[in-house]
This record gives sequence, C-alpha cells and structure tokens, in this order.
Amino acid sequence: KQEVTQIPAALSVPEGENLVLNCSFTDSAIYNLQWFRQDPGKGLTSLLLIQSSQREQTSGRLNASLDKSSGRSTLYIAASQPGDSATYLCAVTLGGSRLTFGEGTQLTVNP
Amino acid sequence: GAVVSQHPSRVICKSGTSVKIECRSLDFQATTMFWYRQFPKQSLMLMATSNEGSKATYEQGVEKDKFLINHASLTLSTLTVTSAHPEDSSFYICSASSSGDRGGKNIQYFGAGTRLSVL
Repeated sequence: KQEVTQIPAALSVPEGENLVLNCSFTDSAIYNLQWFRQDPGKGLTSLLLIQSSQREQTSGRLNASLDKSSGRSTLYIAASQPGDSATYLCAVTLGGSRLTFGEGTQLTVNP
Repeated sequence: GAVVSQHPSRVICKSGTSVKIECRSLDFQATTMFWYRQFPKQSLMLMATSNEGSKATYEQGVEKDKFLINHASLTLSTLTVTSAHPEDSSFYICSASSSGDRGGKNIQYFGAGTRLSVL
C-alpha cells in the first residue's frame, strides 16, 4: 500500500526566506507526483506536476524535484511571501488517476 | 485550464435529512470522478471512484448506502449523504479526470469543496 509522508507538518518562516518542503513515498513505481496548495476551507490548486520520467518542474518561484528511486520529492519556494501561507499537499499516482495524498505541510510566512 | 464546479459550497442541515452535492466538469468530459472527505487539519481521504455509466467503487470502510454516488453523464456526478448525522459533518471535495486528457497525463481537476454541517 502506498504511503505518502510530508515533513514538516508545520513551518513558520519570515518573509523573504527560501524554504523546502519534503515529501516521501513508499512505492517508487509511481506514474506522477503532484504538489497542491490548499487555502483554509477551500479546494485544491495544482501547483506542479512531475511525470515519473522527469526530475523537476519549475513554475515562477516554485521548483519541485523528484527522485523516484529514493521515493522523495521536494518543493522549493524562493523568496517566500505572506501570500504563500497555505497548506501544501503532495500526492502520487500509481496508475490510472487514483491519487494518494500526504498529510500536508502548513506553511505560515510572517510579514 | 479545466474547470470543475462543485455546489453547494456550504450546507447546514438537520440530523436525519439527506444532502446532495453536485460536481460538474464545465469544459471537458469527465470519464472518472472522485469523491474525497477531509477532516480538519487532515489530508484528503478518498471515499469512492465513479466512472460514467457504471456503479461507483467505494474505499474500504465507506458505507455505500450512506454515501450514494451517481455519475449519470460525462459532466456530472452527485454525492448524496443520506440520513445525515453530526459525525458526517466534514469537508467534501470532488475531482474529475478524463481518459482523453491532454497528453494522457490522467490529471485530476478539483472542485472548491463543500462544507457540510449537520446539526
């Protein structure tokens, strides 16, 4: 059974700091990995999708890496802003469309 | 990008009543829709997967008679919480994907969620 773990569970940083969120998964035979953002009481916004054949994806200040063999992914956020405050979820797909989510990292960026 | 509309965004109901939540794919045909449940400060838990025109597949521990799922068309799936009780209060989120998705990436597009409060 695929298990996804995210560390840390919560993170508080001052504005402007670069930060890294971690995600690990137990079954390396994934189809793809996604990072999502969730604001309180809201749905999910997809940030980055990495296919199993890719090593990283970038979008603006966000960079996600994937090391499939070791079962790890990181989400790097550069020059953090208060508007980045949210819960970040990592999810993997083994096959088809089924997603397995991690517990999330709650990020607070203080002005 | 693909848009999934979920309605209502919030519902408050009395114990014993039934509540229906709709999930619509607005600009693509959703061959598969998913229903998730999320408790406060926890991650999303998959409840069931539904394919258009067939019965939903429920995850272990999810009561199919309690949570009725209908996926009668390629753009609409509904989740009905029957005889709701306070313990059913939660945040419910749907998502949709298409087998003909761009590049075949099987991407799920999420609705904004429904906050159900049962009094």
